[in-house]
Amino acid sequence: DIQMTQSPSTLSVSIGDRVTITCRASQNIINWLAWYQQKPGEAPKLLIYRASTLESGVPSRFSGSGSGTDFALTISSLQPDDFATYYCQQYQSFPYTFGQGTKLEI
Amino acid sequence: VQLQESGPGLVKPSETLSLTCTVSGDSITSYYWNWIRQSAGKGLEWIGRIHPTGNVNYNPSLKSRVTMSVDTSKNQFSLELTSVTAADTAVYYCVREDAALPGWGRGTLVTVSS
Repeated sequence: DIQMTQSPSTLSVSIGDRVTITCRASQNIINWLAWYQQKPGEAPKLLIYRASTLESGVPSRFSGSGSGTDFALTISSLQPDDFATYYCQQYQSFPYTFGQGTKLEI
Repeated sequence: VQLQESGPGLVKPSETLSLTCTVSGDSITSYYWNWIRQSAGKGLEWIGRIHPTGNVNYNPSLKSRVTMSVDTSKNQFSLELTSVTAADTAVYYCVREDAALPGWGRGTLVTVSS
């Protein structure tokens, strides 16, 4: 299985901050990487796919970058609605696997 | 597209967990359909996926216990997980696949306990 490692696990942030979350794959996944946002009691929501393509309806303050094994999700200016847990996921090979999550907290 | 999971919220150890996902707003024939679960201990875990043509892919860690099926006449797909233990307690999501996983059900909590 491809292991996905996110860092940090928790990030203390403030409104307006520029936030970057990283995700490392244990082997080359080219750009078959997605990012999801999950709020308590809700299902994950797709933000970015193919490493850098913004899902329709997702605010432009979210962006993704990277290829191969190293990827990043950046929020350019953190808004109150962005406090959540973020997950990366690879879909280059089966089984699909997820990172352990990064929780943004005040 | 909306997805809704249904099935028992409580299953006894060693029995079979059965869930159904009803898809509305689009035809089930157009996509791959996934089951993903989330537990406190293991995070998000991909169980497998099925296409209405019959193609399936299962997580090797669960493959011996998992069966997925599709009923195109009802626009539904289903999950069966046999010989469950407490480790199978989780929120189970049904998910549409289309360039990653854009469409998720709300999830249903399944607890394995006697």
